[in-house]
Amino acid sequence: GESVGLHLPTLSVQEGDNSIINCAYSNSASDYFIWYKQESGKGPQFIIDIRSNMDKRQGQRVTVLLNKTVKHLSLQIAATQPGDSAVYFCAEKWAQKLVFGQGTRLTINP
Amino acid sequence: DAGVIQSPRHEVTEMGQEVTLRCKPISGHNSLFWYRQTMMRGLELLIYFNNNVPIDDSGMPEDRFSAKMPNASFSTLKIQPSEPRDSAVYFCASSLWDRAEKLFFGSGTQLSVL
Repeated sequence: GESVGLHLPTLSVQEGDNSIINCAYSNSASDYFIWYKQESGKGPQFIIDIRSNMDKRQGQRVTVLLNKTVKHLSLQIAATQPGDSAVYFCAEKWAQKLVFGQGTRLTINP
Repeated sequence: DAGVIQSPRHEVTEMGQEVTLRCKPISGHNSLFWYRQTMMRGLELLIYFNNNVPIDDSGMPEDRFSAKMPNASFSTLKIQPSEPRDSAVYFCASSLWDRAEKLFFGSGTQLSVL
């Protein structure tokens, strides 16, 4: 993850559309890349992870893509629902530590 | 399981006072992590433990911060003396050692230092 500042990047999508949230990572030695979801007033919640030797992994309504060539990670959410409104963080795991990006706020328009 | 339990949920204190944050990890988890979240710096790892032993405290900002894990079911993060710049949400998370990519976070402690 990157970007430093007071304002989170924001993605607004229509309910029912697909959402794509992007993240750039920095450490080529990371062995896992992970997406977390944080709803207001709560702690981050694990969504899905991908090992560094993979380039795609699918879960329920979510897909994570990893492009190691350009150090890019993305999270795709299919058929976005109001309950998907949250801040999404990418994270990379290295030496048993998770380093989190700054986050992207996803808002759903009815 | 009730999940990771943190207390207090909110803490308001005056500069110079001692603050103690508490955490009960998920039973059976052998790794515990303390994170701090602010708008400016995002989620920062402060310290983590494995089997109650501190492994990496390189994220602890100053000597004013200390953390302990006296047993597998309890950890504390202490700030003494507290300063206004310590105001943040402090999260505790636990995991299995070999699944550290899957952290289970508590609800956090919102700390305000006046």
